Amino acid sequence: DARVTQTPRHKVTEMGQEVTMRCQPILGHNTVFWYRQTMMQGLELLAYFRNRAPLDDSGMPKDRFSAEMPDATLATLKIQPSEPRDSAVYFCASGFGDTDTQYFGPGTRLTVL
Amino acid sequence: TQLLEQSPQFLSIQEGENLTVYCNSSSVFSSLQWYRQEPGEGPVLLVTVVTGGEVKKLKRLTFQFGDARKDSSLHITAAQPGDTGLYLCAGLNTDKLIFGTGTRLQVFP
Repeated sequence: DARVTQTPRHKVTEMGQEVTMRCQPILGHNTVFWYRQTMMQGLELLAYFRNRAPLDDSGMPKDRFSAEMPDATLATLKIQPSEPRDSAVYFCASGFGDTDTQYFGPGTRLTVL
Repeated sequence: TQLLEQSPQFLSIQEGENLTVYCNSSSVFSSLQWYRQEPGEGPVLLVTVVTGGEVKKLKRLTFQFGDARKDSSLHITAAQPGDTGLYLCAGLNTDKLIFGTGTRLQVFP
């Protein structure tokens, strides 16, 4: 049963701390997306990669957010330093090629106090 | 900035009722998708519509893409409690999805 996995599922941290979220895309998928979901803003694209190369990170606050793909089976989203306004659910999704089908992970619920 | 507005924002209905959710934009999209999201989970793709005027059916769900490919609708016939969830439309622009504002549906038994 191929699924996108995300860790941790929940994270509570204090303002100023570093947060790292991890995503394992579906094996064989070469496109990975990071989204953020809040009640106010809905689901927003932060960044995405194809074949591990970043294609677009225009939705991501550059000063504190960074996204990487160390290898084809791992994508990371890091926030340093975290702020209360970063509290949200962060989703990873993966797909293959230029197909428009994306498969979402269960999300990481981040709370920054 | 491309925006997708969904209406209504919230919908509470009784089991057996019919409903329609709308997704509107001033932008043209190459295709449009509908997702359903349940609490604690990520969105799950229901359907993709590509051609202007296209109608797709998925059991009790009927999806329509507007002729100008700027808007879409989702109609549910005889809603069931299992249909409860957040419905999201998403327009495809190159290979990026722009998500709508969402419609939260609650179906009571």
